[in-house]
Amino acid sequence: DTAVSQTPKYLVTQMGNDKSIKCEQNLGHDTMYWYKQDSKKFLKIMFSYNNKELIINETVPNRFSPKSPDKAHLNLHINSLELGDSAVYFCASSPSGTMSPGFGPGTRLTVL
Amino acid sequence: TQLLEQSPQFLSIQEGENLTVYCNSSSVFSSLQWYRQEPGEGPVLLVTVVTGGEVKKLKRLTFQFGDARKDSSLHITAAQPGDTGLYLCAGEVVYNNLFFGTGTRLTVIP
Repeated sequence: DTAVSQTPKYLVTQMGNDKSIKCEQNLGHDTMYWYKQDSKKFLKIMFSYNNKELIINETVPNRFSPKSPDKAHLNLHINSLELGDSAVYFCASSPSGTMSPGFGPGTRLTVL
Repeated sequence: TQLLEQSPQFLSIQEGENLTVYCNSSSVFSSLQWYRQEPGEGPVLLVTVVTGGEVKKLKRLTFQFGDARKDSSLHITAAQPGDTGLYLCAGEVVYNNLFFGTGTRLTVIP
């Protein structure tokens, strides 16, 4: 059973479109994250949610809007996609009080 | 601003050799993690170190956290082709905010 799952695995879209990436974890963790990995493999946190509440928002354009309908899900919606948004986006989760997130398989977003 | 610098950036060695990867920063971390990432997959947690000077071993991998909790090293003994991958260190500065290093891409040649 997959602990942290993301869909889709690959996403190819045109500039200006709006797209969403879904994330689910079945570990019962309270904290979920979105990370972005660029072409140089540098991984940077975007958002952190604890019990459905936003606790970290790291200088991410407001075109990116995370939504947590419940503790097990943290979806990422992106408006007006730009070329620079092309990257691999990772969802992750961890139990409260720990900082060792487990990562999903990633979603490779390509904006044309 | 890069908080964590890893060296070397690339490392290609023969099977059976030993190697050390370094993770350095001017910041103090409350904890530090090491991950390994393979192509097309997410990073997989290898170890978490919390105490300055702490040493943890995971089979042929030895992890050390610096006394001042600003740096860390990963030593692999008798590297195997299965050790090939991207190694990432990550430090926790503020609760729930993990800063990742620049990465070390290791290739072990059979």
